[in-house]
Amino acid sequence: DAGVTQSPTHLIKTRGQQVTLRCSPKSGHDTVSWYQQALGQGPQFIFQYYEEEERQRGNFPDRFSGHQFPNYSSELNVNALLLGDSALYLCASSLNRGASYNSPLHFGNGTRLTVT
Amino acid sequence: GQQLNQSPQSMFIQEGEDVSMNCTSSSIFNTWLWYKQEPGEGPVLLIALYKAGELTSNGRLTAQFGITRKDSFLNISASIPSDVGIYFCAGHHMDSNYQLIWGAGTKLIIKP
Repeated sequence: DAGVTQSPTHLIKTRGQQVTLRCSPKSGHDTVSWYQQALGQGPQFIFQYYEEEERQRGNFPDRFSGHQFPNYSSELNVNALLLGDSALYLCASSLNRGASYNSPLHFGNGTRLTVT
Repeated sequence: GQQLNQSPQSMFIQEGEDVSMNCTSSSIFNTWLWYKQEPGEGPVLLIALYKAGELTSNGRLTAQFGITRKDSFLNISASIPSDVGIYFCAGHHMDSNYQLIWGAGTKLIIKP
């Protein structure tokens, strides 16, 4: 049973560039959430996708956008990269049960993004 | 935004010792979750709590959802070397069903 898979595992970009990160949810899960984890800190919620729509968004600028595909996989796009965007980007999947918090999140191992 | 205050920030313990860490908030949370993260990996769920007062165990781990719904603790009994890692509390605030809010983590280090 495949868990949450993310690609790539590591990425180095230059300020101003754009990046796309990919996530495949755990088998049977239909909801995908993205989190940003800076070094030494807890993850910060970026947004959650369900039924191919953004269901809730955290306190992140519009430079951060996403997409969910019919097979439940998801992409996170970040435009106009800043040095401060350097972080571990975590994807988590869950099963929607009406009230999302009833389905614990399962995380991938993340994509380490470095912006120079 | 909402934050969780997690303490201690780090712990140096001897193998075999019991460990206790906690998480507090100034407002009410609907769920409390405890995750463990090891280097190069994503967080792994240890225990999920859904009701005030709930006490749940997972092997040597025990966690409780505080009666006030503003705190939670995690205990690890008889620590072993593989317990090393960063432990995070997380929860769903009463105003948000979908966003998990996280503490800053407790780093557990076992002295040789």
